[in-house]
Amino acid sequence: GNSVTQMEGPVTLSEEAFLTINCTYTATGYPSLFWYVQYPGEGLQLLLKATKADDKGSNKGFEATYRKETTSFHLEKGSVQVSDSAVYFCASDDYKLSFGAGTTVTVRA
Amino acid sequence: EPEVTQTPSHQVTQMGQEVILRCVPISNHLYFYWYRQILGQKVEFLVSFYNNEISEKSEIFDDQFSVERPDGSNFTLKIRSTKLEDSAMYFCATKETGINYGYTFGSGTRLTVV
Repeated sequence: GNSVTQMEGPVTLSEEAFLTINCTYTATGYPSLFWYVQYPGEGLQLLLKATKADDKGSNKGFEATYRKETTSFHLEKGSVQVSDSAVYFCASDDYKLSFGAGTTVTVRA
Repeated sequence: EPEVTQTPSHQVTQMGQEVILRCVPISNHLYFYWYRQILGQKVEFLVSFYNNEISEKSEIFDDQFSVERPDGSNFTLKIRSTKLEDSAMYFCATKETGINYGYTFGSGTRLTVV
């Protein structure tokens, strides 16, 4: 089955800094890829997705591009805010979602 | 926006007791899932359900676990005899196919086994 490897955390940043969280996947085909965000004490919210190679998903200033050549789907945001503090999960779809381990991001004012 | 609704939000149970976690899927979604997240750890797949039967289950989903759709709307996860290590957050999810393809998660049930 599919598996997802994402950058270990925790990541601590200052406000307005650039954020990148690496995510790579292994799969027999070309699965759809997702980023989910989990704010403290809450459930999983879809942040963005990409369904085929070279697609770029974007939402709330976050972006990720589906790179078939490097089997990657890295998450980026150009200027983070304190409210972006959360756990971020990369996931791939193999008739079910397979999640990475999650990356805890803390943004300090 | 349509939601996946889970009840209860928090359940405390004694070891060895049976628990039933409930989910109301989005009405036109056909694929249902249960996941769990032990505190501070990754989100783990338990089981998928389609057309009133299990389509896939993980190693975690042993004989102590079962799922059913008792009344055509609710989707339940039953743990027959809870263990301490079953303490976790349990998430229900549904999948929409087609143009609005994607997975929607409920807000979860925090199960604490004491």
